Amino acid sequence: AQKVTQAQTEISVVEKEDVTLDCVYETRDTTYYLFWYKQPPSGELVFLIRRNSFDEQNEISGRYSWNFQKSTSSFNFTITASQVVDSAVYFCALRGNQGGKLIFGQGTELSVKP
Amino acid sequence: DSGVTQTPKHLITATGQRVTLRCSPRSGDLSVYWYQQSLDQGLQFLIQYYNGEERAKGNILERFSAQQFPDLHSELNLSSLELGDSALYFCASSPPNGGGRADTQYFGPGTRLTVL
Repeated sequence: AQKVTQAQTEISVVEKEDVTLDCVYETRDTTYYLFWYKQPPSGELVFLIRRNSFDEQNEISGRYSWNFQKSTSSFNFTITASQVVDSAVYFCALRGNQGGKLIFGQGTELSVKP
Repeated sequence: DSGVTQTPKHLITATGQRVTLRCSPRSGDLSVYWYQQSLDQGLQFLIQYYNGEERAKGNILERFSAQQFPDLHSELNLSSLELGDSALYFCASSPPNGGGRADTQYFGPGTRLTVL
């Protein structure tokens, strides 16, 4: 079975703090794909990053960085110097090799206070 | 703006009714996916179409059906609506590389369905 767990339901930080959102996944597929999406209060789902299972290189994009570790089945997301505009629900998702469906975690609601 | 459009944005209807949600994928994308987001179930995959053919099915109720038309737009039909069908319904599309399996899904703004 495939599963994504985001243990942190809600996180509250003050602006300029760094924050890490955890994501742990389960799959038996040897090839799989991991994603992060952002859902701001307006409701749309915004794609942030995709990582293939055969590429463990970490990635940085501005204030965002992602740490992919196959050994611990984790794909964590760090926001550096958080801003109020980062307030949103963040979803980690997994796609296996057998089909196109995404399996989402329950989401982490991030609140950044000024 | 992801390039995926969904109409209507909001829909309010009564139990027992039937509604149709419409989705237009990004230009060039052949795959369309439907997801349901509810408070108790979270984000759940419903169904995928690729170039007009059904490709994968999730936990989609028998009261729900979908299709993808030759112009690649898709419709999700929900019938005999129940209170529990109230949710945000997302459509997503992905480009044709790899037969629609491995590529990133871009989501539309969603249709918020309220069943009273």
